[in-house]
Amino acid sequence: AQRVTQPEKLLSVFKGAPVELKCNYSYSGSPELFWYVQYSRQRLQLLLRHISRESIKGFTADLNKGETSFHLKKPFAQEEDSAMYYCALSPKTNTGNQFYFGTGTSLTVIP
Amino acid sequence: DVKVTQSSRYLVKRTGEKVFLECVQDMDHENMFWYRQDPGLGLRLIYFSYDVKMKEKGDIPEGYSVSREKKERFSLILESASTNQTSMYLCASSEGAKNIQYFGAGTRLSVL
Repeated sequence: AQRVTQPEKLLSVFKGAPVELKCNYSYSGSPELFWYVQYSRQRLQLLLRHISRESIKGFTADLNKGETSFHLKKPFAQEEDSAMYYCALSPKTNTGNQFYFGTGTSLTVIP
Repeated sequence: DVKVTQSSRYLVKRTGEKVFLECVQDMDHENMFWYRQDPGLGLRLIYFSYDVKMKEKGDIPEGYSVSREKKERFSLILESASTNQTSMYLCASSEGAKNIQYFGAGTRLSVL
């Protein structure tokens, strides 16, 4: 069974401090991993995906297959980073491309 | 830009009513999804569809059904609404090859 675990429901950091949002997954194959973000009063949107290997809004995430983790990191948090963050896993299938989401981490960046 | 539109932002219904939540996407995506979003529980998949008239159960299909008569439209139906179905409902769509889900703004349903 596929499962995505985000151990922190709430995370608070000061502006300018590093931030790391944890995500661990369990899956027997080679899934695709994503981070989605939901800012206040906005719709859920893709932040980044592991196959892109991009840095978006200063955030990066490295897929560690040995530790089955996909932690989201940013060296210097900004107030506008305050949002709800969801880690998601998608098994590579021929149909449906179903996603499995974690329970989310609410990040607050303190000015 | 991909547009996923949910017909209602807020709905208030009474226990036992039949409720329809509508979702339309304008990007000719094959896949469409219905989730409910609850604090502390994240997003849980109710149903998804990878083609017209096709549907698959997600993790929590009980008490729900879906309809996909046209490619662009995916409806979620609560046959007899109950108070435990009070939640935020999110619709999403994706193109199979690109495997990125695009979300609607959500419908906040209150069942009294």
